[in-house]
Amino acid sequence: RKEVEQDPGPFNVPEGATVAFNCTYSNSASQSFFWYRQDCRKEPKLLMSVYSSGNEDGRFTAQLNRASQYISLLIRDSKLSDSATYLCVVRDAGNNRKLIWGLGTSLAVNP
Amino acid sequence: NAGVMQNPRHLVRRRGQEARLRCSPMKGHSHVYWYRQLPEEGLKFMVYLQKENIIDESGMPKERFSAEFPKEGPSILRIQQVVRGDSAAYFCASSLDYEQYFGPGTRLTVT
Repeated sequence: RKEVEQDPGPFNVPEGATVAFNCTYSNSASQSFFWYRQDCRKEPKLLMSVYSSGNEDGRFTAQLNRASQYISLLIRDSKLSDSATYLCVVRDAGNNRKLIWGLGTSLAVNP
Repeated sequence: NAGVMQNPRHLVRRRGQEARLRCSPMKGHSHVYWYRQLPEEGLKFMVYLQKENIIDESGMPKERFSAEFPKEGPSILRIQQVVRGDSAAYFCASSLDYEQYFGPGTRLTVT
């Protein structure tokens, strides 16, 4: 089992749609989680950290389910500019500074 | 506050030459990380450094690759005797605590 698994997609959605991505992680001791987005041929950019209580930033909501070892990202009212690859990232429980990266979920928002 | 800076942005080397990639972290950040991303693949951790120290190099190939982060100046990722398989995007990230911020990357092409 991979340490961090994501559905690669692609997800094709119309503008205005709501879309959700899930990510599972294998180490139950993991404590910190992040979502990054990466545009084609660009660097990853931090989208949001994921807290135990869940958190929301505008149209984006992140949730953590420790019992099932998954995190989710919900995007409401999708914009064309949301088209990107979304990377699920888990901080290594045994090495606080090391991040473990999923391969990403590709999203295409269509007009 | 300037972000993470990397140079060069594009680097072309012939097989057998040396490649030197430079990374200047964000102001105030003392932790630097190097990642490699092969075409159509995910980010792979290579090495984590603090000033004058390599903390974790578990992702570095055993031969030809080295990294440093001197007391003064940028962090350097050095690849000796490059081969075609080294062609990739090399990203540097820096952090103050656990959230990592990425530079624009260096795209290395080995001909």
